[in-house]
Amino acid sequence: GAGVSQSPRYKVTKRGQDVALRCDPISGHVSLYWYRQALGQGPEFLTYFNYEAQQDKSGLPNDRFSAERPEGSISTLTIQRTEQRDSAMYRCASSPHSGTSGAYEQYFGPGTRLTVT
Amino acid sequence: LAKTTQPISMDSYEGQEVNITCSHNNIATNDYITWYQQFPSQGPRFIIQGYKTKVTNEVASLFIPADRKSSTLSLPRVSLSDTAVYYCLVGDMSGGSYIPTFGRGTSLIVHP
Repeated sequence: GAGVSQSPRYKVTKRGQDVALRCDPISGHVSLYWYRQALGQGPEFLTYFNYEAQQDKSGLPNDRFSAERPEGSISTLTIQRTEQRDSAMYRCASSPHSGTSGAYEQYFGPGTRLTVT
Repeated sequence: LAKTTQPISMDSYEGQEVNITCSHNNIATNDYITWYQQFPSQGPRFIIQGYKTKVTNEVASLFIPADRKSSTLSLPRVSLSDTAVYYCLVGDMSGGSYIPTFGRGTSLIVHP
């Protein structure tokens, strides 16, 4: 079946512009996670949803970052007024389990490489 | 905090069994232990998950002692294509809830 997809795969934007990163999870999956991954490091948690409810956003770096999942399926991570330090690989993952279950069986998308110039 | 600790790197040879151990001394009662594999330029791939004792699938085995303070991922008869970074994942307390927390992982290199 279809896996997790993310778009765009690559995004180059100028400092100060807003960007929206999209994640299309596996159909029927309950939870959806956003991560940021630097080279040589493990994925760093940003936020997650159970269905349409944002359960935890403690990993979002500041208030320029926001995320939504309005219908409990597709999710968008938005970064406003981008800065060069926002350049990174952004990964999305979905899971058949609730994020409060303690079971972190997740399926990752290919990621979006964001470059802020 | 349920911080995980793994060896930074390991080397092996084709056909050997590889065991990667992860310590998670403060794992929460309801947390499972999940392992992922990641190749360069790809997202992490789910390998196996367990709560206690032993779990086996077509790819690997996961051994978890009774105290659950550590776990061991066992890869039987590795091949060159198993060269990757392996992460163990448990929850970590943040802002009053548990969130999945990846460490730096173990870089496994399989030699011919």
